[in-house]
Amino acid sequence: DAGVIQSPRHEVTEMGQEVTLRCKPISGHNSLFWYRQTMMRGLELLIYFNNNVPIDDSGMPEDRFSAKMPNASFSTLKIQPSEPRDSAVYFCASRRLATTNTGELFFGEGSRLTVL
Amino acid sequence: TQLLEQSPQFLSIQEGENLTVYCNSSSVFSSLQWYRQEPGEGPVLLVTVVTGGEVKKLKRLTFQFGDARKDSSLHITAAQPGDTGLYLCAGAGGNQFYFGTGTSLTVIP
Repeated sequence: DAGVIQSPRHEVTEMGQEVTLRCKPISGHNSLFWYRQTMMRGLELLIYFNNNVPIDDSGMPEDRFSAKMPNASFSTLKIQPSEPRDSAVYFCASRRLATTNTGELFFGEGSRLTVL
Repeated sequence: TQLLEQSPQFLSIQEGENLTVYCNSSSVFSSLQWYRQEPGEGPVLLVTVVTGGEVKKLKRLTFQFGDARKDSSLHITAAQPGDTGLYLCAGAGGNQFYFGTGTSLTVIP
């Protein structure tokens, strides 16, 4: 079975440019998470969706960040305009929404973003 | 934000040695998970603990959930080079998972 698929794997861009990261969750999973990982701050939750609806976006650092989930099989994280401090590895993860919070989170391989 | 502190942050040991990694918080979690992450990949689930005081074993790895469900430990017996990686604990609250600061383990052959 295909896991969580993220693209691009690597992106190098210049400050001020728009960046769009993409995620395809595992089929049948109805909860999707976007995380950012850096050496300094570790793995931070940016936003998560249940059944395509954004539930908590309090981790989104600024208005420059936005995320959408137009359908159950696709989500985007957009940064506009990008800044050097946005450089990080961005992970998408999905799981099956359940009444108990013990389900496994399945992560993609991440998108490594470098903003020059 | 529910903060999870892991210690040590970095650990380098010889093959065959034992080690323990700690995950501590002031918050109570409904469950706690441990993940391992290898370079260039996303974290992968190792175990979920749910009940206070619960102990789970996965081959040479032993996981314990604190009685008050605020802390956890991971003990590795006779570490092997294949155990090298970043170990992350994650506490569940609502539908969210709050990840710890991570422990980077290197096992030297």
